[in-house]
Amino acid sequence: EPEVTQTPSHQVTQMGQEVILRCVPISNHLYFYWYRQILGQKVEFLVSFYNNEISEKSEIFDDQFSVERPDGSNFTLKIRSTKLEDSAMYFCASTRDGSNEKLFFGSGTQLSVL
Amino acid sequence: RKEVEQDPGPFNVPEGATVAFNCTYSNSASQSFFWYRQDCRKEPKLLMSVYSSGNEDGRFTAQLNRASQYISLLIRDSKLSDSATYLCAVNSIPGANNLFFGTGTRLTVIP
Repeated sequence: EPEVTQTPSHQVTQMGQEVILRCVPISNHLYFYWYRQILGQKVEFLVSFYNNEISEKSEIFDDQFSVERPDGSNFTLKIRSTKLEDSAMYFCASTRDGSNEKLFFGSGTQLSVL
Repeated sequence: RKEVEQDPGPFNVPEGATVAFNCTYSNSASQSFFWYRQDCRKEPKLLMSVYSSGNEDGRFTAQLNRASQYISLLIRDSKLSDSATYLCAVNSIPGANNLFFGTGTRLTVIP
């Protein structure tokens, strides 16, 4: 079964540093998403991306965050200057047709900001 | 205002028991409803969609009550492998692709 792949599985960084989280969506999928989950809290939507542009974003996704699809396979989330409160599990997801019914999540990147 | 609310549990039930979870949502315009399963420190995995007419998949039954704005999940004949956190998710913005998740209900099935 095809999978959404995320790297790295764990990322430790110092406060104020930039991080890039990487995702390879399923190859024939067209809609891409980032969600995050702070330890012990709910999964929260960050941003969705379609046709090389952001289609929706939440209040969490402020100017410190950006997304990019630099080539035909990768989808990245950049946090420009990390804060302690950015520590969370970040999940990438993709769908073929934008339907939430077939939302496939990657296994996540655990980001720890020290 | 919380978009989606769930009883966090934990629910501790013996093997073979029937257990039910409810989830309420605040936006009456919500159109899509789902139950996800999340194992510890893992990604959410879609368990089932929730349709207006209710739907069943083996030991799992999902129901939607639009009038009272809640969805439910019933698990019959609980197995040890059912131990997980069950998340409800709602697409609260018609035409949008993002989901609002509840905080999840922790289920432990005891031998």
